[in-house]
Amino acid sequence: NAGVMQNPRHLVRRRGQEARLRCSPVKGHSHVYWYRQLPEEGLKFMVYLQKENIIDESGMPKERFSAEFPKEGPSILRIQQVVRGDSAAYFCASSPSAQGADTEAFFGQGTRLTVV
Amino acid sequence: KQEVTQIPAALSVPEGENLVLNCSFTDSAIYNLQWFRQDPGKGLTSLLLIQSSQREQTSGRLNASLDKSSGRSTLYIAASQPGDSATYLCAPDSGGYNKLIFGAGTRLAVHP
Repeated sequence: NAGVMQNPRHLVRRRGQEARLRCSPVKGHSHVYWYRQLPEEGLKFMVYLQKENIIDESGMPKERFSAEFPKEGPSILRIQQVVRGDSAAYFCASSPSAQGADTEAFFGQGTRLTVV
Repeated sequence: KQEVTQIPAALSVPEGENLVLNCSFTDSAIYNLQWFRQDPGKGLTSLLLIQSSQREQTSGRLNASLDKSSGRSTLYIAASQPGDSATYLCAPDSGGYNKLIFGAGTRLAVHP
């Protein structure tokens, strides 16, 4: 009964490279969320996806960041041309439903991105 | 804009004490509220989910209450243990689809 799986757990990128963060939700969950935790700050909502659709990306930086959740395979958070300020822990969460009683969000262990 | 405040920011207690962690939020129009714990360098573990229509939820030694109209939630931890040491996060859902707004957390240390 695997929970939310994120990989890699740690990722080091040089400035200007691309970072791809993967998230496999709990089996049967079709709602995925990405959050970012900057050093010494709280978690901030980035994006909410439901299979093949972006529902709310109001927390995503306007440039260089994109997210997808294809019909098959994990959700991907992609950061192009990374800068030092992108260094953070990125958490993925999933839920079986987005409304009603089954809305509890389950979080992964996170991917810690370090930009050097 | 929803803002979440957690008090105290840090707490250090001997084991066995009953604890109260407070959370306040500025916008009472929430769908539900979740409490999480986060261990250093780790992910978040969901502790309790309270729907907006509920007043409290219990799980083992944990009890969470919700007073939506006054914008407050409280997490009670009974008979604390060293294994309870972690950061506790309160997160109301203001979007209706797990658009959680997190507080800065309460850092708890329970010493033997």
